[in-house]
Amino acid sequence: SQKIEQNSEALNIQEGKTATLTCNYTNYSPAYLQWYRQDPGRGPVFLLLIRENEKEKRKERLKVTFDTTLKQSLFHITASQPADSATYLCALATGAGGGNKLTFGTGTQLKVEL
Amino acid sequence: GAVVSQHPSRVICKSGTSVKIECRSLDFQATTMFWYRQFPKKSLMLMATSNEGSKATYEQGVEKDKFLINHASLTLSTLTVTSAHPEDSSFYICSATPSGSYNSPLHFGNGTRLTVT
Repeated sequence: SQKIEQNSEALNIQEGKTATLTCNYTNYSPAYLQWYRQDPGRGPVFLLLIRENEKEKRKERLKVTFDTTLKQSLFHITASQPADSATYLCALATGAGGGNKLTFGTGTQLKVEL
Repeated sequence: GAVVSQHPSRVICKSGTSVKIECRSLDFQATTMFWYRQFPKKSLMLMATSNEGSKATYEQGVEKDKFLINHASLTLSTLTVTSAHPEDSSFYICSATPSGSYNSPLHFGNGTRLTVT
């Protein structure tokens, strides 16, 4: 069966440390993978997109890697801050022939503590 | 840019009534919009793909007669929950991308919290 799993439901880290979130998938061959941030009671907000032929993507304190052999993406937040506390969702492009249809992972709730 | 507005943000209705949720793309045209449902502390579950000028495509297990979708213009899609029951209580979120964009990020509305009493 097809699955998208994120390593842990919740992750607590100390301010200033690097948070690393994992997204593993089975029985998908996505052309690209995206990461979103969701705050309580709000819709997800797009953070980064990485294509299957890209190994790594960076944006400010964020870094995403994509390993299509391992079927895994890692999402890193460096120098984490309490304001980074949120739920982070990975999403795969799962529409036939590409397109914008996304299937989301289970999410990881990150809490950055002082 | 690329703002998606969803209305209402919260609605409480009685069992058996119908509720309409609107999703508007404010500064772009969207041929396709997506409707998701989210349970507490769970991920987003895609319900249907809304296509302007044609019928929506529903995911397996989603009742199309229960969740009516209309996409009458390039900036508006509506989801109507018909004959709502308490088990329909959930957080409903729509998303869209500009027409013609492909393999692009989705822009989400801020969701509608539906409570059926």
